[in-house]
Amino acid sequence: QQPVQSPQAVILREGEDAVINCSSSKALYSVHWYRQKHGEAPVFLMILLKGGEQKGHDKISASFNEKKQQSSLYLTASQLSYSGTYFCGTKERGSARQLTFGSGTQLTVLP
Amino acid sequence: NAGVTQTPKFQVLKTGQSMTLQCAQDMNHEYMSWYRQDPGMGLRLIHYSVGAGITDQGEVPNGYNVSRSTTEDFPLRLLSAAPSQTSVYFCASSYLGRTQFNYGYTFGSGTRLTVV
Repeated sequence: QQPVQSPQAVILREGEDAVINCSSSKALYSVHWYRQKHGEAPVFLMILLKGGEQKGHDKISASFNEKKQQSSLYLTASQLSYSGTYFCGTKERGSARQLTFGSGTQLTVLP
Repeated sequence: NAGVTQTPKFQVLKTGQSMTLQCAQDMNHEYMSWYRQDPGMGLRLIHYSVGAGITDQGEVPNGYNVSRSTTEDFPLRLLSAAPSQTSVYFCASSYLGRTQFNYGYTFGSGTRLTVV
């Protein structure tokens, strides 16, 4: 079951904040977040393993709400280098299925 | 440390031709996988492996074969190329531990394949 990401695209100015959501209809074991710049490979940002867990990476952080089967990625004080497509990957709890990726959120940061 | 190396970077095939996409990693990762990326559809899993001699199918395995004779290499073979296989292909690897879902994936730089 592919997770649903929202929004599909977002445009903001340097210094503004953004939130990207990743939702699943299934109970989740873990959530991965990746960023892909145009023409490049996806790059791992962080992984969340426990319900309620929050992690940070510079000014990029994420939370995992196990009850809502949802994860959110928070980009604070956006920099030009944050531009790219953000993907979440989810592993369903109790399922033999492998990591399933959402269709991505395209983030554009303007000067 | 090269990470995950994919070759070739670009390839054009005629319908019906076969070819092998190469993937090699030097991080001693047990888990390796192949994804295809199509516009608006994210990354879809083709095949994966949890160790040498062990492979399994992902979401979209039809038309592709894999083998894993060593920890380092995980080639993807297109048996008879079709236009529907036009895509960007990524190889990814990770540590396994108790489960590969506890570790981030390292992706190769991708192979852009066009089937005409």
